[in-house]
Amino acid sequence: SQQGEEDPQALSIQEGENATMNCSYKTSINNLQWYRQNSGRGLVHLILIRSNEREKHSGRLRVTLDTSKKSSSLLITASRAADTASYFCATDAKTGFQKLVFGTGTRLLVSP
Amino acid sequence: DAGVTQSPTHLIKTRGQQVTLRCSPKSGHDTVSWYQQALGQGPQFIFQYYEEEERQRGNFPDRFSGHQFPNYSSELNVNALLLGDSALYLCASSLAVGTGFFRQETQYFGPGTRLLVL
Repeated sequence: SQQGEEDPQALSIQEGENATMNCSYKTSINNLQWYRQNSGRGLVHLILIRSNEREKHSGRLRVTLDTSKKSSSLLITASRAADTASYFCATDAKTGFQKLVFGTGTRLLVSP
Repeated sequence: DAGVTQSPTHLIKTRGQQVTLRCSPKSGHDTVSWYQQALGQGPQFIFQYYEEEERQRGNFPDRFSGHQFPNYSSELNVNALLLGDSALYLCASSLAVGTGFFRQETQYFGPGTRLLVL
C-alpha cells in the first residue's frame, strides 16, 4: 500500500511559473526524498531532507518538511518545459533497514 | 561511472510462465532493492538484498524471489506469472552512510524493465 498522497494529482503550468506539490505520509520517518520520473522510466533522485530539517534547497528546488503535520512540499521555481514529469515523494520509516514507501505522484506539465 | 543498469528493457510473457530480471548496481554500492510500479501508481517495495541475503520484504507473495551475487548484482524472479504482474520493475542500489538516525541511504534507480503478461 502507498504511504501517503501527493497533491495535486496533476498540475499544468506555463514556463517561468512556479510549481508546488505536496506530500502527506502516515508514519514517523528518518528522512523524506523526492524523485522525478520521466515517461514511466527510472526515477531520478532530486533531494533528501532529514526528519530534523525543516527546509532544504537545491538549485531551483525548495523542499519543506513538517513532521508535526506529516507533510512535505516541493517547490520548483521558474519552471521549464524539461521539468515536465511525474514527481514522487518517498519516506524512509524508522523501522530499521531502508525501505522507501512512495506516494501516488504528481504529474506536472509545463507548457512553453 | 556507470549508474544502475537493468536488463532486459522490455519483456512479454504469457500467464503461468516464469521471468528473470537482472540488475547491476552503481559502482561502490552494496545494497539492491526491487520495486514494482503499476501504471499510474507509485513504486511498491518488493524486497532488498544486502550481503547476498534478503533482509527486508514487502507485501508480495512467494512467487517473487530474488538473489544477490558476490559482485552485488541481483536478479528478480517471478514464477507463475499473472496478468496483474504486468508492471515496470525498478531496481535501486544504495550504500548506507552512517547508522541509526543519521543513516542516509539515497537510492539510485535504474531505467526499469517493463513486463507485459498476456
